[in-house]
Amino acid sequence: DAGVTQSPTHLIKTRGQHVTLRCSPISGHKSVSWYQQVLGQGPQFIFQYYEKEERGRGNFPDRFSARQFPNYSSELNVNALLLGDSALYLCASSLEVHTGPPWNEQFFGPGTRLTVL
Amino acid sequence: EDQVTQSPEALRLQEGESSSLNCSYTVSGLRGLFWYRQDPGKGPEFLFTLYSAGEEKEKERLKATLTKKESFLHITAPKPEDSATYLCAVQAAGNNNDMRFGAGTRLTVKP
Repeated sequence: DAGVTQSPTHLIKTRGQHVTLRCSPISGHKSVSWYQQVLGQGPQFIFQYYEKEERGRGNFPDRFSARQFPNYSSELNVNALLLGDSALYLCASSLEVHTGPPWNEQFFGPGTRLTVL
Repeated sequence: EDQVTQSPEALRLQEGESSSLNCSYTVSGLRGLFWYRQDPGKGPEFLFTLYSAGEEKEKERLKATLTKKESFLHITAPKPEDSATYLCAVQAAGNNNDMRFGAGTRLTVKP
């Protein structure tokens, strides 16, 4: 079975540019979450979507936005890139969001490494 | 606010030398505590979910335990291939299932 897939693998942008990252969840999973991981730290929650609706938002500026499509895939958009946005962006999927085990367990993709110069 | 603290930050072991990693947490209404393994430059790999105090789960050389304030990941007779960063995360009861992660423990196992 295919796991969570993300594209692109690596990306290099310059300050002020815009970037779009893409994620396809595990087949049958309805929820997608986005996390930012800076080197040496644990992942930090950005957004969660379930059935195309935003279910949670972390402490990130409005330059970050996301959406989920009818096929449950998702995009993360970041505008006006800053040097500090350089990180590994992780996508995770789960079956559900508001129920208990095992439907709330999240499985991660390989990530997109974003470098802002 | 939910908090997760992992210790130690880094751990170096000889092959076969057993040890434990600690994850201390504070959360309002624990839905689950999760352990992940992460290799450099890759996404976290799911290991265990624990839901209530007293629960234990095992997988090969790894055993995870949970109390009301902390979780331990015990590694028995580790091998060099167990070298990785081990991440702990908590999920609070609510309308979403976002996770708050600790900074991780970087484990190195020398042959």
